[in-house]
Amino acid sequence: AQRVTQPEKLLSVFKGAPVELKCNYSYSGSPELFWYVQYSRQRLQLLLRHISRESIKGFTADLNKGETSFHLKKPFAQEEDSAMYYCALARGSNYQLIWGAGTKLIIKP
Amino acid sequence: DGGITQSPKYLFRKEGQNVTLSCEQNLNHDAMYWYRQDPGQGLRLIYYSQIVNDFQKGDIAEGYSVSREKKESFPLTVTSAQKNPTAFYLCASSTTSGGKNIQYFGAGTRLSVL
Repeated sequence: AQRVTQPEKLLSVFKGAPVELKCNYSYSGSPELFWYVQYSRQRLQLLLRHISRESIKGFTADLNKGETSFHLKKPFAQEEDSAMYYCALARGSNYQLIWGAGTKLIIKP
Repeated sequence: DGGITQSPKYLFRKEGQNVTLSCEQNLNHDAMYWYRQDPGQGLRLIYYSQIVNDFQKGDIAEGYSVSREKKESFPLTVTSAQKNPTAFYLCASSTTSGGKNIQYFGAGTRLSVL
């Protein structure tokens, strides 16, 4: 079954500490994975996609096919990183996404 | 201001009543989506449409209906058959060219039952 799992509902770290938001997936084909973010009172928006191999706002995510993971990392957390983060998997070629349940990240001052 | 507009922001439904949530986009996207967001459950797909006059059921379509008469518009009707309609509803759109799979979201409609 196609599935995205974010095991942590809530993650709280201090400012300046490293952050890792976990995402595991189950998919039989070649996966296309995304991280979306929703800041307080803002719309859900794309943070990054694995095929772009880019760093956005200091965040990176590496696809590990062996561990079927796509964890989101940032070496030094900032208060403005506090938000809800969703991992998503593209389901085939029909432009649908399968979503994880989300992780609420709180950065403490 | 380009993007996706959802209205109303808040909506209340009485027992046995159908209500319609509006979603309009000016991004010239072919594909549009409706999601339901409940606490701790992420986004669940209700319906999606890849082209005008065509749409498909998502994972939780029961009790909902949609139409896609115009490229810009994808309204969602929550019917009286939906027994637990209280939720936050998100509309999204995406291009179908280039295989980008990037979805753009509206601000959402919060539906409550009176």
